[in-house]
Amino acid sequence: GAGVSQSPSNKVTEKGKDVELRCDPISGHTALYWYRQRLGQGLEFLIYFQGNSAPDKSGLPSDRFSAERTGESVSTLTIQRTQQEDSAVYLCASSLEGAGGVPGKRETQYFGPGTRLLVL
Amino acid sequence: GQNIDQPTEMTATEGAIVQINCTYQTSGFNGLFWYQQHAGEAPTFLSYNVLDGLEEKGRFSSFLSRSKGYSYLLLKELQMKDSASYLCAVASGYSTLTFGKGTMLLVSP
Repeated sequence: GAGVSQSPSNKVTEKGKDVELRCDPISGHTALYWYRQRLGQGLEFLIYFQGNSAPDKSGLPSDRFSAERTGESVSTLTIQRTQQEDSAVYLCASSLEGAGGVPGKRETQYFGPGTRLLVL
Repeated sequence: GQNIDQPTEMTATEGAIVQINCTYQTSGFNGLFWYQQHAGEAPTFLSYNVLDGLEEKGRFSSFLSRSKGYSYLLLKELQMKDSASYLCAVASGYSTLTFGKGTMLLVSP
């Protein structure tokens, strides 16, 4: 497909279980981002990948959250021992280039449809 | 630190013009983005400004003043489908975009 895809689209889990969320960025995009958006709230930055490395993971809320990216493509966000406060929409975005480059539209982020996570 | 401010809510009527303001204080500036987000959907890219002035794209225009740390999104000939949240985001050249909390625009008949 031409856009960013995420799976699953919806996930219901029980408190204490681990969940894994997947993001497939636009082909050729070197940068990938994860955000969290609680109901009625703004976007909360979680982590940024440039290639397979993560120069900025300052937004991860706790050590229960981790993410990896392989092959400069697919990324997975893992939440261990989920809590009810983790319930949110998790959005992935990709851009042609990452931060710090020459200013221009190549930093434009394109978002996937999100994964709606509900922790019971 | 990074700080982006925009109004929480705005209302307007169909066919009217509305201006959504955004002010920012960031360490470094590599451009300012506007996104539209309909309820329950992902944000979609609207516009990008890196130089001072007005960028026009159909019914939507975006303005930037770097010296004032100020931008606005202008929506003309409002339609019901324009009811959405509008997000201002700044690229500071350090890390990812910093997003404002969004302005919820409600267009009424």
